[in-house]
Formats: sequence, C-alpha cells, structure tokens
Amino acid sequence: KNQVEQSPQSLIILEGKNCTLQCNYTVSPFSNLRWYKQDTGRGPVSLTIMTFSENTKSNGRYTATLDADTKQSSLHITASQLSDSASYICVVSAVNNNAGNMLTFGGGTRLMVKP
Amino acid sequence: GAVVSQHPSWVICKSGTSVKIECRSLDFQATTMFWYRQFPKQSLMLMATSNEGSKATYEQGVEKDKFLINHASLTLSTLTVTSAHPEDSSFYICSAQSPGVTDTQYFGPGTRLTVL
Repeated sequence: KNQVEQSPQSLIILEGKNCTLQCNYTVSPFSNLRWYKQDTGRGPVSLTIMTFSENTKSNGRYTATLDADTKQSSLHITASQLSDSASYICVVSAVNNNAGNMLTFGGGTRLMVKP
Repeated sequence: GAVVSQHPSWVICKSGTSVKIECRSLDFQATTMFWYRQFPKQSLMLMATSNEGSKATYEQGVEKDKFLINHASLTLSTLTVTSAHPEDSSFYICSAQSPGVTDTQYFGPGTRLTVL
C-alpha cells in the first residue's frame, strides 16, 4: 500500500529562524514528489516538484531535497516569515498509465511562525 | 500557470437542504477532475474521480447518492451534497488534471460548507 508519512505533525518556530520538514514515502512505482503549502481555508499551492533524478530544488526561501534510495524528502525553510505559517503537504505521485488519481498525500506538517 | 476556481468559497445551509459546489478550470481543459474533503487539522481525502462525459468513480465509503458529481464539460464539474447534515460540514477541494499530464493536478481554493 502506498503511504506518505510526514514529521513533525506540528512545529512552532520564531520569525527569522530556519526549519526542516520531513517526508518519508513508500510509493511505487515512483513518478514525482511535490511539496504544497496550504494556508488555512485555502487550497494547496505547489512549492516544488521533484522527479527521480533530482536531488535538490529551490523556490525562493524553500529548498526541497529528495533521496530516492531511502525514499525520503525534506523541505527546508530559510529565514522564516510570519506568512510561512501554514500546513505543508508532501504528495507523492505513482506512475500509472490508466486514468485516475495516482497521488498519495501525507498528513501534513502544521507550521506556526511566531514574532 | 493553470487556474482552478471554485464557487462558492463558503456556504451555510440548513440541515436537509442540498448544496451545489462548482469547480472550473479557467485556462485549460480538464478531462479529469477530483473532489476531496478535508476535516480540520487533517490532510485531503479523495472522495471521487470525475471524468468528462462519464459517471464518477467514488472512493470506498463515499455515498454516491449523497454526493452527486456531474462533469458535463471539459471545464466544469459540480458536486452536490444532497440532504446535507451537520456531519457533512467540511472543506471541499477540487482539482483538475490536464489531458496527457496525468500526474499533475491543479487545486481549487476550496469551499467551506457549514450545515446547521
């Protein structure tokens, strides 16, 4: 069964600090991994997408890493801002030639940045 | 990038009434749309897969007679919550998938449903 586990479930940090969120997955066959940011009461917004051959990808202050061998990914947030307070969801896509949903969602990490 | 809209963004209704939520892909044609449900502090849970011109495929445990899905065009899918009850109160999110790009979904902003 495909699964995506995220840790920690929740995190509180002070503004300006860095943090790292973790994602472990057992999805096969692997296609890609995405990190989404979801503000309260809004839909998820894509931050990064990584395929099998990519190890690191950055989007501003967000840097995602992928280790396809250990099936782990991380999302590093640098110099956090109050607006970074949100849920961060790791979503792994499986290769599937048939129509349908191939996405497996992690439970998310709820990040709160305090002044 | 691709834009998906939902309407309404929030709705409050009385128990026993029906509520329709629209999901539109604004700048691309979506042969497949997905409907998710999200409870507070939980991740998205897939309810059903909607293919244009055919019946929706529901996930196990989702009542198809309660959550009616119609995907009549390549840019519009609707979810109707029939005879809503307070336990149906949730955040409903749709996503749209472009033809030929089967692993990319663009999410809508969500609809907050509150049933009194």
